[in-house]
Amino acid sequence: SQTIHQWPATLVQPVGSPLSLECTVEGTSNPNLYWYRQAAGRGLQLLFYSVGIGQISSEVPQNLSASRPQDRQFILSSKKLLLSDSGFYLCAWSVLAGVETQYFGPGTRLLVL
Amino acid sequence: GENVEQHPSTLSVQEGDSAVIKCTYSDSASNYFPWYKQELGKRPQLIIDIRSNVGEKKDQRIAVTLNKTAKHFSLHITETQPEDSAVYFCAAFYFSGGYNKLIFGAGTRLAVHP
Repeated sequence: SQTIHQWPATLVQPVGSPLSLECTVEGTSNPNLYWYRQAAGRGLQLLFYSVGIGQISSEVPQNLSASRPQDRQFILSSKKLLLSDSGFYLCAWSVLAGVETQYFGPGTRLLVL
Repeated sequence: GENVEQHPSTLSVQEGDSAVIKCTYSDSASNYFPWYKQELGKRPQLIIDIRSNVGEKKDQRIAVTLNKTAKHFSLHITETQPEDSAVYFCAAFYFSGGYNKLIFGAGTRLAVHP
């Protein structure tokens, strides 16, 4: 069966510091991968999605970036965090071909102070 | 553009009553509609989904209906229980320049009171 991991689970960072969040998927090959952000009490905002190694599409302009160095690894980064970057970051995967469900990872709760 | 509207934003019911959440989508080409339940501090979990070739799907106390002509779909929860309390998100699937993505509604906070 497929499993999706995210780490760290929680993170407290000062404004202006760098960020690296990691997501890995097990039990599947060539997945679509997604990064979402959820502000407190709000909905799900799609940040990035990837259909393969090195293929990243950005949904919204921001100071975040994403990379996919391996088939089942997706990384979210920032060089300098802003207060507004605080939130719940969720990674998700789906089967590459066809219309398929997205499954979410456990999430990383980020607080920027 | 791509948009999914979800209503109501909050819903309060008594245990045993039914709850209905409604969503509308903008792109008539959309063909897959999942519903997610998110408990406090947890990840969204898929609870039911429907594809555009059917009008209704049921799983125990949960059902989803789809009206393609009107471009809306609804979640129905019968005999609600306190453990149904959560935020529910609807979503619609879109093809976008070769990429597949889900567009989510803003969510409905359901409270079931004993």
